[in-house]
Amino acid sequence: SAVISQKPSRDICQRGTSLTIQCQVDSQVTMMFWYRQQPGQSLTLIATANQGSEATYESGFVIDKFPISRPNLTFSTLTVSNMSPEDSSIYLCSVLVAAKETQYFGPGTRLLVL
Amino acid sequence: DAKTTQPPSMDCAEGRAANLPCNHSTISGNEYVYWYRQIHSQGPQYIIHGLKNNETNEMASLIITEDRKSSTLILPHATLRDTAVYYCIVNAGGTSYGKLTFGQGTILTVHP
Repeated sequence: SAVISQKPSRDICQRGTSLTIQCQVDSQVTMMFWYRQQPGQSLTLIATANQGSEATYESGFVIDKFPISRPNLTFSTLTVSNMSPEDSSIYLCSVLVAAKETQYFGPGTRLLVL
Repeated sequence: DAKTTQPPSMDCAEGRAANLPCNHSTISGNEYVYWYRQIHSQGPQYIIHGLKNNETNEMASLIITEDRKSSTLILPHATLRDTAVYYCIVNAGGTSYGKLTFGQGTILTVHP
C-alpha cells in the first residue's frame, strides 16, 4: 500500500478566505485524486490531479473554486477558494497504486468554515 | 461505472462472523468488486477486491457469485473496532481503471 499524509489535519476558517491542503505520498504514483465528504454524506470525487497538466474536474466542480496543483509524482495540493460555510467538509486525497489496481486514501482534512 | 446496492445498516455480535451483502447486477466483464470501510470520519480503508474468484486476506474474505451479480464481504470474527461504514464499489481494473464512485454503504455496528 501507500502511506499518505495530509496537512493540515483540520482547520477552522473564516468565510471569504482560502485554504490550501497538501497531500504527500511516500512513493511515486501516476494518479492522485481529491474527494469531498460533506457532513453525513458519502464521498464525492472533486478532480483527478494530473502531473504536468491541468486537473480533470468532475461535474459540479470548477478550477476557480478548487485549484489543484501536481508538481511531481508524490505531491499535490487542493485549494478551497473564497470559502463559505457550505464548504465545511472533510477533504480527502487518494492515490492509485497501479501494481495493486487499488486506491488508497489519506487521513483527510476536516474543514469548518464560519 | 456499475451501481451497487447495499443494505443501509446491519448488526453483528462481537466474535461472530459479519456477512455484508452487495448487489451489482449490471457489472461489466472487466469490472472488479472493491470493498472499503470508513471508521468514524477517518479516510476510507481498503479491505479487499476481486474479479470473479473468491479472495481472502488478513482482514476479510470476498465471495463473488458465479454470475458476478452479487458478492458478500465476510469479516470472520468481528470486533468492536470493525464498527464502520462499509462500501462496495465496482470499478474497471488495469489500464481501464476509473474513478471510484461511493454510494451510501452499509453501517455495520458490532455490539458486545
